[in-house]
Amino acid sequence: NAGVMQNPRHLVRRRGQEARLRCSPMKGHSHVYWYRQLPEEGLKFMVYLQKENIIDESGMPKERFSAEFPKEGPSILRIQQVVRGDSAAYFCASSPKRDRAYEQYFGPGTRLTVT
Amino acid sequence: LAKTTQPISMDSYEGQEVNITCSHNNIATNDYITWYQQFPSQGPRFIIQGYKTKVTNEVASLFIPADRKSSTLSLPRVSLSDTAVYYCLVGRMDSSYKLIFGSGTRLLVRP
Repeated sequence: NAGVMQNPRHLVRRRGQEARLRCSPMKGHSHVYWYRQLPEEGLKFMVYLQKENIIDESGMPKERFSAEFPKEGPSILRIQQVVRGDSAAYFCASSPKRDRAYEQYFGPGTRLTVT
Repeated sequence: LAKTTQPISMDSYEGQEVNITCSHNNIATNDYITWYQQFPSQGPRFIIQGYKTKVTNEVASLFIPADRKSSTLSLPRVSLSDTAVYYCLVGRMDSSYKLIFGSGTRLLVRP
């Protein structure tokens, strides 16, 4: 059973470009969470999605950031017009059901560098 | 969610037992205590979760005193590969999907 997959693992974008980060949850998991980790800091929650629904996006900046988890295909975290402050590691996690949401399975992360 | 406090870093040597203590003075009745491990350049990995007394799995043990205001993660006979950051999280298991990671404890295992 493959774990959570994220791609790309590393992404370099110039200021003003768009970044698209993809996450495929573990098989059988319908709950997806995105976190951001700045250097030397803990992970910060961004958004929680189920298939075709955004459940909680309270941790996501209101501008330039969006997330989706379509019926088919991976979850996408999209950052428009990136700035240097967006440089971070972005982790996706999944869980099989809501009442075990404290046990999340994390992917390897996408390291975004904005130049 | 209960605020947690844990040491910033710890050093150990291979083969030793390591105990990392986490303080959570305002833990609520319905809160569980969960520990995650994060290796460099990887996502966190769930290690263990408990509510009271002692929980043990193949990786670690978790000791929780009766007042539940602290907990101790115990790693038996550490190896170099246990070098990682260890996070203590406290919250309701059924609804706290918004995992809150503090700065964690950086464990360095030396040969």
